[in-house]
Amino acid sequence: GAGVSQTPSNKVTEKGKYVELRCDPISGHTALYWYRQSLGQGPEFLIYFQGTGAADDSGLPNDRFFAVRPEGSVSTLKIQRTERGDSAVYLCASSAAGARQETQYFGPGTRLLVL
Amino acid sequence: AQKITQTQPGMFVQEKEAVTLDCTYDTSDQSYGLFWYKQPSSGEMIFLIYQGSYDEQNATEGRYSLNFQKARKSANLVISASQLGDSAMYFCAMREGSLGMDSNYQLIWGAGTKLIIKP
Repeated sequence: GAGVSQTPSNKVTEKGKYVELRCDPISGHTALYWYRQSLGQGPEFLIYFQGTGAADDSGLPNDRFFAVRPEGSVSTLKIQRTERGDSAVYLCASSAAGARQETQYFGPGTRLLVL
Repeated sequence: AQKITQTQPGMFVQEKEAVTLDCTYDTSDQSYGLFWYKQPSSGEMIFLIYQGSYDEQNATEGRYSLNFQKARKSANLVISASQLGDSAMYFCAMREGSLGMDSNYQLIWGAGTKLIIKP
């Protein structure tokens, strides 16, 4: 079946602009994660959804970052007033139910460049 | 303190040789899971292998095996008969979890090891 998809694959924006990054998880997966990966580093957790609710948003760096998953499927990560330091690859992952032993399957990522 | 430590920033290995990528972890949980992912230059994070803390046998998936030494908190990835297509970044990750149903089982990641297979 189809894997996790993310759009756009690349996004270039100017400092101060607003961006939306979209994630479409594997069909039927209730758990959805957003991570951010800076160059040369491992991913860092941003936010976790179980169904429609954000069960844990403790990884969001500040209030410019927000994410939604209104129908429990597609999720959108929203960044307001972008800064150059927001440049990174934003990875989305999903798993069947969020259990500890489950594998998280990742999308190809969105490469965000803030000029 | 780092929860996942990968001490090898980069490795060169001759094609067809076996390679071991090191990973040590730090947790006070009794229940946890350890994962290895491969990230080629294309950027996608590809799941390779999983080891649960209570699993008595080392996990194996094709050419991949996980050398799990619980007392040493070590979870090294072994790739047998390396191929040119194995060249990539490799990440070790841990998921802690002695928590409840709605707990966040986020992955905690190491910094990765860049593996280059030489022909």
